[in-house]
Amino acid sequence: EAGVTQSPTHLIKTRGQQATLRCSPISGHTSVYWYQQALGLGLQFLLWYDEGEERNRGNFPPRFSGRQFPNYSSELNVNALELEDSALYLCASSLGTAGTQYFGPGTRLTVL
Amino acid sequence: QQQVKQSPQSLIVQKGGISIINCAYENTAFDYFPWYQQFPGKGPALLIAIRPDVSEKKEGRFTISFNKSAKQFSLHIMDSQPGDSATYFCAASRDTDKLIFGTGTRLQVFP
Repeated sequence: EAGVTQSPTHLIKTRGQQATLRCSPISGHTSVYWYQQALGLGLQFLLWYDEGEERNRGNFPPRFSGRQFPNYSSELNVNALELEDSALYLCASSLGTAGTQYFGPGTRLTVL
Repeated sequence: QQQVKQSPQSLIVQKGGISIINCAYENTAFDYFPWYQQFPGKGPALLIAIRPDVSEKKEGRFTISFNKSAKQFSLHIMDSQPGDSATYFCAASRDTDKLIFGTGTRLQVFP
């Protein structure tokens, strides 16, 4: 069974640009979570989608947004990139809203 | 109240020794406590998890000890191996909602 996949692996952008990160959950999983792992700060919860709806949002500015598609894949958009947005962005999926979260390998975003 | 405090930040253990990582939480509504293992360049992988209705859970060389009254839980790695060298994160959540992670412990096991 394929795990959670994320693309791209690496993304380099400059300040002010927009970044789009993609996530495909494990087959059958309906919930997708996004986390930011910045150096030295651990994993911070960003967004949670289930059945196409945003269920919860972490303490991040509105320029972090996303959506979940009918096939349960998801995309994270970061607008007006700032240097401190440089981080590893991790996607996790779970079977419904009460399942164990399984993580993908992440997208390394570098903002220059 | 949403924080999960994890210690130590780094840990060096000799092969065959016991590695112990501790976490403390404040929110008594948390009811799910997983531990994740992360190797460089990889996403975190679930290692073991516990709910507050039990005080201990063991899976192979990995054991979680849970103290509900103290609001603390810990990971014990018995017979630590060089292949266990990784960063370990504790986490907590309510109803397996968003996970609140500790800051991580970098474990190095030397032969």
